[in-house]
Amino acid sequence: GAGVSQTPSNKVTEKGKYVELRCDPISGHTALYWYRQSLGQGPEFLIYFQGTGAADDSGLPNDRFFAVRPEGSVSTLKIQRTERGDSAVYLCASSLVGGRETQYFGPGTRLLVL
Amino acid sequence: TQLLEQSPQFLSIQEGENLTVYCNSSSVFSSLQWYRQEPGEGPVLLVTVVTGGEVKKLKRLTFQFGDARKDSSLHITAAQPGDTGLYLCADYGGSQGNLIFGKGTKLSVKP
Repeated sequence: GAGVSQTPSNKVTEKGKYVELRCDPISGHTALYWYRQSLGQGPEFLIYFQGTGAADDSGLPNDRFFAVRPEGSVSTLKIQRTERGDSAVYLCASSLVGGRETQYFGPGTRLLVL
Repeated sequence: TQLLEQSPQFLSIQEGENLTVYCNSSSVFSSLQWYRQEPGEGPVLLVTVVTGGEVKKLKRLTFQFGDARKDSSLHITAAQPGDTGLYLCADYGGSQGNLIFGKGTKLSVKP
């Protein structure tokens, strides 16, 4: 079956613009995670969805970041008023039921804010 | 907050050489995981270790978990160019499954 997919693979935007990043998890996976990986760093947790609800958004850096998963499948990470410091790879992962199940990562979206 | 420290940060070796990379935690691991991330891809889980002193082997890769469950090593025998990538260690940050990662060791194996 298909793995986790993310679109776009690359996004270049200007400072101050709004961007949306999409994640398609593995079919049937109820848990979905977003991470951010800056250059030279490991991934950092942003937000966790169980079904349609955000069960843990403690990793979101500020209120410019928001994510939704309206039907419990596809998720969209939204960044308002982008800043150059938002430039990073945004990774999505899914697991069957959450908790300590294996997470499967997508290839990421590379965001560059000019 | 748990901190994971990995060393070395970079490693460049020739094909056929052996190598060891390390991961140390500021607190006891609940469930140590090792991932490999290739350029342009997401991390892929290699192994999970939970018991102090545990040793797991995956072909040419040997993973060792310290008795006190605060450190781990990954040893690769006879490295191949296909082993090139970023090796990350991780632990669960909470019961919900969010992961805490180290900064990784970037390995380059030259033919």
